[in-house]
Amino acid sequence: GQNIDQPTEMTATEGAIVQINCTYQTSGFNGLFWYQQHAGEAPTFLSYNVLDGLEEKGRFSSFLSRSKGYSYLLLKELQMKDSASYLCAVRDSNYQLIWGAGTKLIIKP
Amino acid sequence: IAGITQAPTSQILAAGRRMTLRCTQDMRHNAMYWYRQDLGLGLRLIHYSNTAGTTGKGEVPDGYSVSRANTDDFPLTLASAVPSQTSVYFCASSDSTESHVYFGPGTRLTVL
Repeated sequence: GQNIDQPTEMTATEGAIVQINCTYQTSGFNGLFWYQQHAGEAPTFLSYNVLDGLEEKGRFSSFLSRSKGYSYLLLKELQMKDSASYLCAVRDSNYQLIWGAGTKLIIKP
Repeated sequence: IAGITQAPTSQILAAGRRMTLRCTQDMRHNAMYWYRQDLGLGLRLIHYSNTAGTTGKGEVPDGYSVSRANTDDFPLTLASAVPSQTSVYFCASSDSTESHVYFGPGTRLTVL
């Protein structure tokens, strides 16, 4: 079966750096996505990786290793507004998105 | 530009009733999707449409039906609601099956 694993919850301090990991086992691979979802709101797109390596976008970076079935989202200079759930999703060989359950990130002052 | 709109925002429904969740996008995206999101579970695909006039079944299609008469609208119908269909429903769209998806604001449905 297809599976995406992420930690359920993480806690970090304002101003610090946090890394959210995602491992996947899917039928084929056509890209990995990270989304942010604030409580009670819809998910919003953060980043996309299809080749191995690091993609940087401001305070957020996303890394992919296809051979290891592994990705992480790195958030720098954490702000209180970064408190949200972070969803990892993989597009499989049928171009369908398979979603992880999400990681709830709690930022403390 | 509104993006994706969904209606209603929330609804409480008696079991056995029929319900249609509406979804409209103004981005002229070809592909549209219906997901449900339940606590502790990832987003699960109910039905999808890669282009107007075509639909397909996702991971959890039972008890739901969809239609795609035109590019903009993609309604989801629960023929006879059951309590296990209590969930948050998100409509989404993408320019193609290869691009990222945009989500509507969601409909919170409670079936009693």
